[in-house]
Amino acid sequence: DAGITQSPRHKVTETGTPVTLRCHQTENHRYMYWYRQDPGHGLRLIHYSYGVKDTDKGEVSDGYSVSRSKTEDFLLTLESATSSQTSVYFCAIRNGLAVSETQYFGPGTRLLVL
Amino acid sequence: AQKVTQAQTEISVVEKEDVTLDCVYETRDTTYYLFWYKQPPSGELVFLIRRNSFDEQNEISGRYSWNFQKSTSSFNFTITASQVVDSAVYFCALSEAETSGSRLTFGEGTQLTVNP
Repeated sequence: DAGITQSPRHKVTETGTPVTLRCHQTENHRYMYWYRQDPGHGLRLIHYSYGVKDTDKGEVSDGYSVSRSKTEDFLLTLESATSSQTSVYFCAIRNGLAVSETQYFGPGTRLLVL
Repeated sequence: AQKVTQAQTEISVVEKEDVTLDCVYETRDTTYYLFWYKQPPSGELVFLIRRNSFDEQNEISGRYSWNFQKSTSSFNFTITASQVVDSAVYFCALSEAETSGSRLTFGEGTQLTVNP
């Protein structure tokens, strides 16, 4: 158990509304990631963070923003949700500073945009 | 650019059969890391194994074994004497030492169904 929680676990929203997903970790990991999982695509990186206020884009970052004001929290925001953002969202932490370290995942958030 | 291919979308076996899940990767880096994750029907992602590019030794853990071959860019996963509890989606993933953030690139996953 890597001490990762995600909230909410399930959410239904309407197109055009803003949505914020929260990832919380208890073990002071520096690196945190947001992925989305869609059928036929596996998991794809949205954004990641390498420290407080330090973030960078992944391969599918359009329509998403992130913030990290505290080590333990990494927020993913959909400024104006679209149906194409219906997905399962996973947060992950990297278990250490070395690039070889394993990423461990939170339980996921299932988002439905109507 | 890094890429992972899991050509087997779905595999169905009968309990106690052996099954191999294929994973082929592409990378330009000489230093990289390969992973397998399991996603059971409950939805969480469970880490199974990590291999670095300098270590081509095969690994066995109980009924699980992994065959890493740099010559064919493959990192295959075999389950011996499969059980119903092995039913899950299995993902192979790659990270490169030179890629910022050491992000993971995942294959599309293989849905394994083990029937009683």
